[in-house]
Order: sequence, then C-alpha cells, then structure tokens
Amino acid sequence: DARVTQTPRHKVTEMGQEVTMRCQPILGHNTVFWYRQTMMQGLELLAYFRNRAPLDDSGMPKDRFSAEMPDATLATLKIQPSEPRDSAVYFCASGPGRVLEQFFGPGTRLTVL
Amino acid sequence: KNEVEQSPQNLTAQEGEFITINCSYSVGISALHWLQQHPGGGIVSLFMLSSGKKKHGRLIATINIQEKHSSLHITASHPRDSAVYICAVLYGGATNKLIFGTGTLLAVQP
Repeated sequence: DARVTQTPRHKVTEMGQEVTMRCQPILGHNTVFWYRQTMMQGLELLAYFRNRAPLDDSGMPKDRFSAEMPDATLATLKIQPSEPRDSAVYFCASGPGRVLEQFFGPGTRLTVL
Repeated sequence: KNEVEQSPQNLTAQEGEFITINCSYSVGISALHWLQQHPGGGIVSLFMLSSGKKKHGRLIATINIQEKHSSLHITASHPRDSAVYICAVLYGGATNKLIFGTGTLLAVQP
C-alpha cells in the first residue's frame, strides 16, 4: 500500500530553534508539494518540485523557510529560526505528474512556543 | 475575496439525509479536485474532474465549467462521513497549482 510518509508527526519547539520536516514521496512519483494548513488560511502551497527541481516556492517565506529534495526519495522543509506564527500542520503530497493528482501525507503538526 | 468559495461552511445533518456541498470559483479553470479531511488530519482525494459528473459509492461530484460551479453530493449520509470537505481548483496557464477553498465541516448525527 503505497503512501506518502512524513516525519515527525508532531513537533513542539521553542521560538528560534531550527525545525526540519521530512517527506518520503510515493515511489515513482515525480512531483512533490509542501503545504501549510492553519485554521485562518486553510491549505496554502509553500513549494512545488518536479523531478527534484523546484518549480514554485512563491508561497514560502524566503528569509526563514527552505525546501529541498536531496534525492527522489526524500523532500525536506526547514524553518530557521522558527516563530510562533509558524505553528500549523505541514502536509507533503506527491503525484505521478499532473498537478491535479496529488496524494497527501499524514502531516506534521508543528507547535512553536 | 477568496478565489474559491465553499458553502455552507458548516453543515449538520441527520443520518440518512442527502447532502450537498457547493464550490464556486471566480475564473476559468482546467480541473477541480474534491478532498476529504477527517478529524486527526489525514487528507484523502475523492474526485478529480474537469467536466460532467463522477460517482463513487454514495458520493457524486458534478461540475459546470460555464457556471464556474461544482457540487459534492452524499447520498444516505452516515456518521462516518463526518469530515471537512475541501474543494481545490487548478487554473490553466502559468498558475499551475491548486487553489483551495476553506472547506465545509460536515457533521452527520446518528
């Protein structure tokens, strides 16, 4: 049963600390998306990769967020330094090619104190 | 004004009722995605459609591209259908990404 996996599932950290979230896309998928979900804003796209190359990171605060795909089996989202307003659920999704077709991971619930 | 609007925002129904959730968008799109998010957070894809109607079990999704509107119907609703239902649209052209509605929270009471 192929699934997108994300680690950690929950993270509590203090303001100013670095946070790294990891995503393993479904094997064979060549698109990877990072989303942030909050009560106020709903789901927002942070970054989008195709074949490991970043295609769109316009939704990501550039000064503190970074997203990478070091290889086809791993995508990372880093926040440094973290702030309380970054508290949210971060979802990774992968797909076989079309933007419309995305399979979501379980999410990482981040709390920044 | 959100580019993708859903109505209602909250919906409470009795088990067995027929449910309709609506999604309207402001500009032309190439396709639309309905998603379901259960308490606890997991997001599941329900339908992807660009025209007409699709059916899967008790769920039916329709789209009218000219009217910029889609509906998700649930027949014979059940408490396990309680979830947030999210509509996402894919605009054509340079904006090649999904734009999400804010979701409809459905509670089906036994």
